[in-house]
Amino acid sequence: GAVVSQHPSWVICKSGTSVKIECRSLDFQATTMFWYRQFPKQSLMLMATSNEGSKATYEQGVEKDKFLINHASLTLSTLTVTSAHPEDSSFYICSARNSVMGTEAFFGQGTRLTVV
Amino acid sequence: GNSVTQMEGPVTLSEEAFLTINCTYTATGYPSLFWYVQYPGEGLQLLLKATKADDKGSNKGFEATYRKETTSFHLEKGSVQVSDSAVYFCALSNTGGFKTIFGAGTRLFVKA
Repeated sequence: GAVVSQHPSWVICKSGTSVKIECRSLDFQATTMFWYRQFPKQSLMLMATSNEGSKATYEQGVEKDKFLINHASLTLSTLTVTSAHPEDSSFYICSARNSVMGTEAFFGQGTRLTVV
Repeated sequence: GNSVTQMEGPVTLSEEAFLTINCTYTATGYPSLFWYVQYPGEGLQLLLKATKADDKGSNKGFEATYRKETTSFHLEKGSVQVSDSAVYFCALSNTGGFKTIFGAGTRLFVKA
């Protein structure tokens, strides 16, 4: 099946620094990638949708200047949490899909971010 | 808009008990429906899916049937194991928005 790899799996950073999370589709071209955030014991909340070569579309309430999303190629999208603060600590999950492959999206293993 | 509602947890069962986790959805058009499982500290794994009405998805003893008339996609397993303890998410995706919309998740505990 289609594989999506997310890196790093976990990261600890100091408050005020920026952190970049990568999401790669390993064996297919991802025309669309999605970024989700999951708080402890809660569901996944969609943060943004990005199409290759276009600006990301952010969900209401998500700060685009704080969560920078780049989708420069058909196999890579990055999420950069800028000037991170403890309240940004969360589990971030990406997913990727190709419209030719149907409606299913394939998920990365997630990145646990802890801001201290 | 599209939404997914699933039964609140946690659900606690003894090993070999029958499991049902209810899921209903609201959507325009004809979405695909999914069940994902998340083990502690891990990402999501697709458990099963159904892409059209009356389809039955099945995997690892779990199954769910796409019921358009009741807009439901209930997850069932005849005999749960301790290793099934996890959080289960019902989700939908359609060709219009391409987004995957998740339910709140149901935490399952299975006791030996």
